[in-house]
Amino acid sequence: DAKTTQPPSMDCAEGRAANLPCNHSTISGNEYVYWYRQIHSQGPQYIIHGLKNNETNEMASLIITEDRKSSTLILPHATLRDTAVYYCIVRPPYSGGGADGLTFGKGTHLIIQP
Amino acid sequence: DAGVIQSPRHEVTEMGQEVTLRCKPISGHNSLFWYRQTMMRGLELLIYFNNNVPIDDSGMPEDRFSAKMPNASFSTLKIQPSEPRDSAVYFCASSLGQPGDEQYFGPGTRLTVT
Repeated sequence: DAKTTQPPSMDCAEGRAANLPCNHSTISGNEYVYWYRQIHSQGPQYIIHGLKNNETNEMASLIITEDRKSSTLILPHATLRDTAVYYCIVRPPYSGGGADGLTFGKGTHLIIQP
Repeated sequence: DAGVIQSPRHEVTEMGQEVTLRCKPISGHNSLFWYRQTMMRGLELLIYFNNNVPIDDSGMPEDRFSAKMPNASFSTLKIQPSEPRDSAVYFCASSLGQPGDEQYFGPGTRLTVT
């Protein structure tokens, strides 16, 4: 399985853009990069995913480098409610039979400062 | 939509007792996942089902753990007998069932075994 490396913690000022890096240097050509977050005492929440192109939705933007060895999740205007643990996950190759489970690492604890 | 429903939200039991955790996935979702989260090991996938059929139970720690999905709207995770090291937060998640579909997590059941 491809593995990911994330900084254990980051701080960001409220209202500023939060940029969360993730290294996945052993990613395979057909593996996607997913981001989930977990707010304290809640279940994880899906944010965004991508293969090679940059992606944007109402929550965040995902920038994947051309060589796909790293990516950055961007929260454009961080609020206090964005304080959470953010997980970068590389999905293993699909082997058929429907959905498969997620492998979570330790993630990055993002703290938004007022 | 009520989202993924888990019960009970908190469970305190004594070592040796049987514990049953319950999950109702989102209506129309074909895949269901059970995860466990501890401080030491983080979030771990225990087992998942596609169309009510167990696909991968390699994450189930021991024979004391068992999971069933008798129909599309209900799943149980049973621990018998329970041990203090089973204390954790257990999450249930569901997805539409296609590769890459986002998973929707429930609020979790916090289990304490004394």
